[in-house]
Amino acid sequence: KNQVEQSPQSLIILEGKNCTLQCNYTVSPFSNLRWYKQDTGRGPVSLTIMTFSENTKSNGRYTATLDADTKQSSLHITASQLSDSASYICVVALRTYKYIFGTGTRLKVLA
Amino acid sequence: GAVVSQHPSWVICKSGTSVKIECRSLDFQATTMFWYRQFPKQSLMLMATSNEGSKATYEQGVEKDKFLINHASLTLSTLTVTSAHPEDSSFYICSAREPLAVAKNIQYFGAGTRLSVL
Repeated sequence: KNQVEQSPQSLIILEGKNCTLQCNYTVSPFSNLRWYKQDTGRGPVSLTIMTFSENTKSNGRYTATLDADTKQSSLHITASQLSDSASYICVVALRTYKYIFGTGTRLKVLA
Repeated sequence: GAVVSQHPSWVICKSGTSVKIECRSLDFQATTMFWYRQFPKQSLMLMATSNEGSKATYEQGVEKDKFLINHASLTLSTLTVTSAHPEDSSFYICSAREPLAVAKNIQYFGAGTRLSVL
C-alpha cells in the first residue's frame, strides 16, 4: 500500500531556531518527492521537488534531503520565522499522475 | 510558477442546495485538473481527475452523482456539490497540471474553497 508518513505531527519552536521534519514513504512506482507548505485555509505551495537521483535541494531557508535507499526525506528549516508557522506536507508523486500526500507536520513558531 | 485560481474561497449554504466551485488555470492550458478534499488536520484526498473534453475519473468511494465535475475548456474545471449536507462541509482544493511539465508531473494548486453546509 502506498503510504507517506510524517513526523512529528506537530512541533513548536522559538523564532530563530532551526528544525527538521521527517518523511518516510512506501510508494511505488516513485517519480519524485516534494515538500509543500500549507498555510491555514490555503492551498499547498511547493517548496522543493527532488527526483530519485537527487540527494538534496535548497530553497532559501528550506533544505530538503532524500535517501531513496531508505525511502526517507527530511525538510530542514533554518533560522525560523513567525511566517513559517504552517503545515508542511511531504508528497510523493507516482509515475502515473497521482500524488500521495503525507498527513503533514503542523509547525508553530513562537516569538 | 503557474497560477491556479479557485473561486469562491468560502461558501456557506443551506442543506439540500447545490454549490459550484470553479478552478481556473490563469496562465496555461490545463488538459488535466484534479479535485481534492481535506478535512481538518488530515491529508488532501484525491476525489477525481478532470480531463478536458471527457468524463471525470472518480476515486473509489466518491459519488459521481453528488460531486459533478465539468471540464469544458482548457482553463476551467468546475465541481458542483449537489444536495449538500453538513457532512460535505470540508476544504476543497483543485490543482492543474501544466502540459509542458507532464514529464515532471507538476501540479499547481488553487487556494482552496471552504464549504460550510448548515
